[in-house]
Amino acid sequence: GQNIDQPTEMTATEGAIVQINCTYQTSGFNGLFWYQQHAGEAPTFLSYNVLDGLEEKGRFSSFLSRSKGYSYLLLKELQMKDSASYLCAVREGTGANNLFFGTGTRLTVIP
Amino acid sequence: ETGVTQSPTHLIKTRGQQVTLRCSSQSGHNTVSWYQQALGQGPQFIFQYYREEENGRGNFPPRFSGLQFPNYSSELNVNALELDDSALYLCASSPREAGGPGELFFGEGSRLTVL
Repeated sequence: GQNIDQPTEMTATEGAIVQINCTYQTSGFNGLFWYQQHAGEAPTFLSYNVLDGLEEKGRFSSFLSRSKGYSYLLLKELQMKDSASYLCAVREGTGANNLFFGTGTRLTVIP
Repeated sequence: ETGVTQSPTHLIKTRGQQVTLRCSSQSGHNTVSWYQQALGQGPQFIFQYYREEENGRGNFPPRFSGLQFPNYSSELNVNALELDDSALYLCASSPREAGGPGELFFGEGSRLTVL
């Protein structure tokens, strides 16, 4: 089974840095994904980690520690358009490509 | 734009009715997954189809069923609708390629309201 936890809401200031944490408990871990979802829209893929360490993609970075069951998404130079929900998702096993999502963290960027 | 299209975008049904939702996957993607997203929650995995066969199922009752067609498009059918079935239903396609992350590409969803 899966148990994915992330904060429900966060607020940060435009231009600042914010870190969104995600902890998980799962069997057969095979990758962790971060998705962004604006209100009323579909989730869009941000990042993928399967090995320990940091993956950087422009203003967004994602970190994974498999031994701790822990990941974070780091957003730098926040912009107003970054206000959205950020979903942490875990894939199990090597068969079906099923992702199991947390409840999401709603980030509000304020001026 | 992910290239995944869903229809209808919005619909209203009453309890006990049946509904069919449709999804066309991105070109070249042979795997389709369906998710249910209640308001303020993350998407919950319903099931996945690969080569027209169900290839994994989440914790949903049998009244949730699906199909995948030879062109990889898919349908989600829900029978005996209940009020709690009101949600956004998301379809996602993904390629089956070795070495890639296999991320899901989501459609815009079908918002179902059950009265």
